[in-house]
Amino acid sequence: GAGVSQSPSNKVTEKGKDVELRCDPISGHTALYWYRQSLGQGLEFLIYFQGNSAPDKSGLPSDRFSAERTGGSVSTLTIQRTQQEDSAVYLCASSLSGLGTGELFFGEGSRLTVL
Amino acid sequence: AQTVTQSQPEMSVQEAETVTLSCTYDTSENNYYLFWYKQPPSRQMILVIRQEAYKQQNATENRFSVNFQKAAKSFSLKISDSQLGDTAMYFCAFMKHSGMAGGGADGLTFGKGTHLIIQP
Repeated sequence: GAGVSQSPSNKVTEKGKDVELRCDPISGHTALYWYRQSLGQGLEFLIYFQGNSAPDKSGLPSDRFSAERTGGSVSTLTIQRTQQEDSAVYLCASSLSGLGTGELFFGEGSRLTVL
Repeated sequence: AQTVTQSQPEMSVQEAETVTLSCTYDTSENNYYLFWYKQPPSRQMILVIRQEAYKQQNATENRFSVNFQKAAKSFSLKISDSQLGDTAMYFCAFMKHSGMAGGGADGLTFGKGTHLIIQP
């Protein structure tokens, strides 16, 4: 597709289970971001990938959160032993390489509900 | 670190009216971008308008315009002739110019948003 694609759109899980969220960025975009949006809040930065460089994980809230990006394209955000406070919308965004145009292109997010 | 503040959690206006959403930010950077993003119920963040800090002229995109006051660190969004489809969450965002895609590791710093409701 032409835009950033995320799956699943909605995920309901039980506390303690692991979940995986997928992001397929726009083809050719080297920068990829994961954000978390809790109810009534703005976007909280989680992790950033740039090409094949080591990711910036400074925004990950705990060691239960991890992410990888295979082949510089698709990314997976994994949350282990989910907690109720992990319930949120997880947004992925990508951007072109080169001098920053400043624009990030977002997917529609994955809504995670932890019961 | 940068901070972005949106002081209006919710606003409501009548269709066809003009509405202004406020945003202030704090940074020690001199070269940066400012954005307004719209998030309708579909959840997808859509870029509404962008302003480069080195440009004095205020950005405009059809019915959307900004009032950028660099010294005051203020970046308000004006929507003219508001339409029902403008109903959404609006987020103000800051990006340091790093020369890297998407602003580098700093990415975007977002405000908490303003829920704009356009009444028929």
